[in-house]
Amino acid sequence: SQTIHQWPATLVQPVGSPLSLECTVEGTSNPNLYWYRQAAGRGLQLLFYSIGIDQISSEVPQNLSASRPQDRQFILSSKKLLLSDSGFYLCAWSAGTQANYGYTFGSGTRLTVV
Amino acid sequence: DAKTTQPPSMDCAEGRAANLPCNHSTISGNEYVYWYRQIHSQGPQYIIHGLKNNETNEMASLIITEDRKSSTLILPHATLRDTAVYYCIVRVTQGGSEKLVFGKGTKLTVNP
Repeated sequence: SQTIHQWPATLVQPVGSPLSLECTVEGTSNPNLYWYRQAAGRGLQLLFYSIGIDQISSEVPQNLSASRPQDRQFILSSKKLLLSDSGFYLCAWSAGTQANYGYTFGSGTRLTVV
Repeated sequence: DAKTTQPPSMDCAEGRAANLPCNHSTISGNEYVYWYRQIHSQGPQYIIHGLKNNETNEMASLIITEDRKSSTLILPHATLRDTAVYYCIVRVTQGGSEKLVFGKGTKLTVNP
């Protein structure tokens, strides 16, 4: 069966520090991968999605970047965190356009920038 | 932007059916309607999805109108653990990719 792993679960980082959040998927190949962010009291905002290795699409301009160095690995990064980067970050995967499956979400990382 | 609109909040008595409405008047013919829910501080959980026909699984039923411009998620016997934010989403396909664009959802509170 497929599983999605996301870590760390919580993170407190100072303003101006770098960020690296990692997400890996097991039990499937060539998944579509997504990064979402949820600010406090808000809905989920799609940040990035990827349909293949080194194929990243950005949904909104921001202080963050994403990379997909391996088929089942998706990384969210920042060189210098801002206070506004605080939020709940969720990784998700789907089987792609050929299947009418939904997304499976990871357990999330709660990032607090201080 | 999300292609769906939902009421911001609803209440339901424990043991009764919860009917959550969703409008998606601009949905295209090949776009699916998905429902997810999010319990506080957790990742969204898949509930059900459909294209044209009504669907039922162990969690819920999905009723889609004939013109596909709206749908209703039905939780037949709501429990306290069903308290969550429920998202109705149209799965958007463009080019070789697809994505779920979440709206603000409906906060369902199940009362004892």
